[in-house]
Amino acid sequence: GEDVEQSLFLSVREGDSSVINCTYTDSSSTYLYWYKQEPGAGLQLLTYIFSNMDMKQDQRLTVLLNKKDKHLSLRIADTQTGDSAIYFCAEVPNFGNEKLTFGTGTRLTIIP
Amino acid sequence: ETGVTQSPTHLIKTRGQQVTLRCSSQSGHNTVSWYQQALGQGPQFIFQYYREEENGRGNFPPRFSGLQFPNYSSELNVNALELDDSALYLCASSGQGAGANVLTFGAGSRLTVL
Repeated sequence: GEDVEQSLFLSVREGDSSVINCTYTDSSSTYLYWYKQEPGAGLQLLTYIFSNMDMKQDQRLTVLLNKKDKHLSLRIADTQTGDSAIYFCAEVPNFGNEKLTFGTGTRLTIIP
Repeated sequence: ETGVTQSPTHLIKTRGQQVTLRCSSQSGHNTVSWYQQALGQGPQFIFQYYREEENGRGNFPPRFSGLQFPNYSSELNVNALELDDSALYLCASSGQGAGANVLTFGAGSRLTVL
């Protein structure tokens, strides 16, 4: 079955770039997502990438996809204290299927 | 445009009891999905409803059931509660059609089973 893995913790100094990594096993994944969860809140969609793309940039966020290695990363430029949260990557196996498989999440801590 | 709203936000039940959680989908969305997020874990897909019918189910027992209403709102029912059912239950809505499967999540209902 599908499996999505992330490292659990990441600490970054304020102003530096954060890079959160994710690996997945399902080679048929069509869309891959990054969600942000702040304490006591639901999931906020940050960005997503279609599997035929290598990179997507959206303001401070850059997503890189290596489909051969089944590796997805999220880079946050100029990390701010408001970026402290848990970041989840997720994938769907095929178009029209809205069942997301999530990773366990990476807790990003910003060091002042 | 209103987002996804869930109720109640918190509740406490005891083992063996039954619980109903409610979700109002985002305006214009006709599909509702439910996820269970245990502490320290990522969300796990429970099931999805489209046009008032279950449209896909994850690895959850039959005591997890749901409904979708004509206005696209939804309920999640859990019978015979177990301690491991303690979790944050997230509802997400989406619209069918072309494009990415973008889900909008609510803030969740936190269930504690004692």
